[in-house]
This record gives sequence, C-alpha cells and structure tokens, in this order.
Amino acid sequence: DGGITQSPKYLFRKEGQNVTLSCEQNLNHDAMYWYRQDPGQGLRLIYYSQIVNDFQKGDIAEGYSVSREKKESFPLTVTSAQKNPTAFYLCASRAGTNLRDTQYFGPGTRLTVL
Amino acid sequence: GNSVTQMEGPVTLSEEAFLTINCTYTATGYPSLFWYVQYPGEGLQLLLKATKADDKGSNKGFEATYRKETTSFHLEKGSVQVSDSAVYFCALRGDTGRRALTFGSGTRLQVQP
Repeated sequence: DGGITQSPKYLFRKEGQNVTLSCEQNLNHDAMYWYRQDPGQGLRLIYYSQIVNDFQKGDIAEGYSVSREKKESFPLTVTSAQKNPTAFYLCASRAGTNLRDTQYFGPGTRLTVL
Repeated sequence: GNSVTQMEGPVTLSEEAFLTINCTYTATGYPSLFWYVQYPGEGLQLLLKATKADDKGSNKGFEATYRKETTSFHLEKGSVQVSDSAVYFCALRGDTGRRALTFGSGTRLQVQP
C-alpha cells in the first residue's frame, strides 16, 4: 500500500519546547514538502527538498528546521523560536521526474501549543 | 510572484444543484493548475488537474478548464451531493523554480439534503 504517512495525528506541546513531526513516504518520490494550514486559510510552504541531503526554505521557514537524510523521510522540527506554532501541518511528495508530476499529501498532524 | 484567488465561502447549496467555484491566478510562463479537496480533519486529495491551456480536467463529475486568456480555472459540477461537502482548494505550480504549489485560501462547500 503506497502512500505518505504522518505521525502523530495530534500533538500537544508546551511553550518553549521543540517538537518533531514525522513524514514518511514509500512512493519512491524525490521531492518532499512541508506546508502549514491555519483556519480559513490556504496552505503556506515551510520547507521543501528536491533530493536527498538537500532542502530549501519556503515562504515561512522561520522557527522551523528540517533534514533529508533518507529519500523516504522528511521530518519537520518546530522550535521554540516559532511564535505561533498551533496549526495543521501537511507533508507532501512528488515524483520529481516530470514537471507535470502531481503532488500527493499525507493526512496531516494537528499541533497545539498549550 | 505566483498567486491564486478563489471565491470566499461558505457556499451553501441544495442537493442536485449546480456548483461553480471561481478561481483565477497570476503566474508567469505556463503553470499547471489543480483542484484539491479536503474533508474534515484530513489531508488534501487531488481532485483534478490541467497542465496546459484549454485542457479540461475532470473527476467524479467535477470539471475545470484551463483558460489562459482569462487566467481562470473554475470548478463546476452539474449536480452536487451531500457527500461533496468539503473545502476545495485551487492551486498552481509554476514551470520554473521550486515547483511547490501556491494555494488559494479555500472555499467551503456545504450541501444540504
């Protein structure tokens, strides 16, 4: 069963703590993305990676960090420097071999800061 | 830069009514255009896409035509069902650079029996 998995589904964090969100894909996709969704808004790009061991900042990277040590994994760390981290986080991947490839999304992680 | 504008919701319709959700975009070059659907508490699912001008994407009774002259990609369905209730996102991906998606703000559709 191919797809993208994100864990956990719900995550609670105290202020001042770092937290890491998991994203795994078994689609053999080269490119992976992290988006943030706030209520009533579209998705905004946090970070993306077009290939293993390389990643780039998106539009709202401040307070976040990522790594891409393996093709199938792209974890996102929300650091204490992120001032308003409560949001729904979505991971996506794309084959990357063709400009017209579709981007597929995971089920998301809802992060709440207490 | 790239941008997507879609009509604000919520859109409330009765079952079997005709649906239109407007989407216009700003982009250079020849972007690909997408409609994604999000059900409560879930991630986004691709509904349909079009990769060049005059292409029509279709899926599950939904359709959208890539109109370069009006920079539009309006979503339509002839007869909506209660199960179509969800949030619909229009998105584009440019043909250069980072190739990430640029999203509209989403339109919530509520279909009443």
